Amino acid sequence: KAGVTQTPRYLIKTRGQQVTLSCSPISGHRSVSWYQQTPGQGLQFLFEYFSETQRNKGNFPGRFSGRQFSNSRSEMNVSTLELGDSALYLCASSLAGQENGYTFGSGTRLTVV
Amino acid sequence: DQQVKQNSPSLSVQEGRISILNCDYTNSMFDYFLWYKKYPAEGPTFLISISSIKDKNEDGRFTVFLNKSAKHLSLHIVPSQPGDSAVYFCAASAGSGGSNYKLTFGKGTLLTVNP
Repeated sequence: KAGVTQTPRYLIKTRGQQVTLSCSPISGHRSVSWYQQTPGQGLQFLFEYFSETQRNKGNFPGRFSGRQFSNSRSEMNVSTLELGDSALYLCASSLAGQENGYTFGSGTRLTVV
Repeated sequence: DQQVKQNSPSLSVQEGRISILNCDYTNSMFDYFLWYKKYPAEGPTFLISISSIKDKNEDGRFTVFLNKSAKHLSLHIVPSQPGDSAVYFCAASAGSGGSNYKLTFGKGTLLTVNP
């Protein structure tokens, strides 16, 4: 079966711009989570959605937002980009959020210049 | 405040020997622990997990040990193979049944298995 698909794979943006990343979960998976990976901080939880509802949110500023559509696809948006937002953004899907059922996508590499 | 710590940024072992990756946690609410493996340019791949009601879980060459009193877990890979070379992440979750809906990750350990 198809895995978790994240688009685009690579992105270069300028400070102050905004960006939208997309994640298509495995068919049948209703939970989508987002993580930010940076060399200094490792993987940090951004938010989790289930059936279009945000169930949990990490400690990120309000510039980071997300949403989930009725087909379980999810997007995350970062507004007013800062250099420190440069990272690998990973999406993970699971049936309903079970701990051992998270399948990760390959990520979107965002570079802010 | 880093709640999951992997104090060894890197580890190098010979093929065929045992690899032991360590992880410490501070949050006593964590009750489910996982190990993920990550290759460059790919997302993390689930390896093995353990619930806090157990102290050991095995899956083929991979065994995870949990010492709750020490808030410590370790991943043993025996025998190690060159294809095991990757970054290994320890992760933890609080709230059985997934009620917390988030994983807290360590910063990872780069394992290199030399032929």
